[in-house]
Amino acid sequence: GQQVMQIPQYQHVQEGEDFTTYCNSSTTLSNIQWYKQRPGGHPVFLIQLVKSGEVKKQKRLTFQFGEAKKNSSLHITATQTTDVGTYFCAGRGGNQFYFGTGTSLTVIP
Amino acid sequence: DAMVIQNPRYQVTQFGKPVTLSCSQTLNHNVMYWYQQKSSQAPKLLFHYYDKDFNNEADTPDNFQSRRPNTSFCFLDIRSPGLGDAAMYLCATSRVGGAGETQYFGPGTRLLVL
Repeated sequence: GQQVMQIPQYQHVQEGEDFTTYCNSSTTLSNIQWYKQRPGGHPVFLIQLVKSGEVKKQKRLTFQFGEAKKNSSLHITATQTTDVGTYFCAGRGGNQFYFGTGTSLTVIP
Repeated sequence: DAMVIQNPRYQVTQFGKPVTLSCSQTLNHNVMYWYQQKSSQAPKLLFHYYDKDFNNEADTPDNFQSRRPNTSFCFLDIRSPGLGDAAMYLCATSRVGGAGETQYFGPGTRLLVL
């Protein structure tokens, strides 16, 4: 069945270092969304990408949707302690909506 | 402010005792979702309503049922909770079209089964 995997599962970085999480789907996605979930909180929508090869930026965050619409990445430049949380990609493949497995980010001050 | 509200935030029930979790929204979104999220895992979609149309995920156990009496409210009924059903239950809404399927999540209800 459909799977949306993210790597790495966990990432510890020193404050100020960059961070990237990769999202890979077994099938083509019509769109990709990214959510952030703080410890003890609920997922909060960050961004949606729809077009093949699309790149969007939000301040220190850069999101990319692959040409084949089967993968995506989120890159954070110069991490801050407020970036701590789990980052999930999510997307629609066929008539089903899937969340990725998530990457948990720890930022060490 | 428009929002997704879940009550209660914490629910304790006994093994086998039916429990109902509730969700309400002031966003007037036509789609409402229920997710189960266990510790350190991704949210798992249980089912969703598109208006009044109920859509069950293939692997959602029969023990989980849902009701949506109107646009604003949606309920998750667990008929006979087992220890494995202890989890965070998240409600979300979306408005199909416009912003696409951006989902707005409530704060969740953490269920403990004794």
